[in-house]
Amino acid sequence: EAQLVESGGGLVQPGGSLRLSCIASGFTFSSYWMHWVRQAPGKGLVWVSRCVSDGTTSYADSVKGRFTISRDDAKNTLYLQMNGLRADDTAVYYCVRGYRRSFDIWGQGTMVTVSS
Amino acid sequence: DIQMTQSPSSLSASVGDIVTITCRASQSISSYLNWYQQKPGKAPKLLIYGASSLQSGVPSRFSGSGFGTDFILTISSLQPEDFATYYCQQSYSTLLYTFGQGTKLEIK
Repeated sequence: EAQLVESGGGLVQPGGSLRLSCIASGFTFSSYWMHWVRQAPGKGLVWVSRCVSDGTTSYADSVKGRFTISRDDAKNTLYLQMNGLRADDTAVYYCVRGYRRSFDIWGQGTMVTVSS
Repeated sequence: DIQMTQSPSSLSASVGDIVTITCRASQSISSYLNWYQQKPGKAPKLLIYGASSLQSGVPSRFSGSGFGTDFILTISSLQPEDFATYYCQQSYSTLLYTFGQGTKLEIK
């Protein structure tokens, strides 16, 4: 069964950094586009970033220049390095598999709280 | 950026009802439209991809239609487990994906 498990969330001060990880299992990780999607408390879904199997990346304007997505196909792991964190980055961050231009497998999410 | 607008934002319905949720794109997105269901405290679940294709394991009471800018999610004969929030998403732009604001489906 395909599964994604995120880790690395927590409480961080404004301006701080955090690195999220997502370990994939049950499918050939290297063959898929992978994404991060976030959801602020009580709000809707917002796409954050994606990493194609060849390493090509794309970002939402709100995180461009601050966040970096990467992947290690040998470790079946997706990462999101978040620098310059702001209060409005507070959200649950989901790791998501892309398939047929949809998001078909979602992790359980990891909470990131940016507060002093 | 492609904007996605869902209507209504919230909806009250009863078990057994037929429900429709509309999603409109700010420009043509062909059939690159997906629908997700999210229950409180849970990750979203893919229901429909490519505007009208039912994801494996999703009950057949869910259906999607539309092309271009206007799309509809239909739930025929609402079940108790269908009360949730529904999101549409465009994947026409693979550089910048966008979701609708969500439609909360509540029990009347």
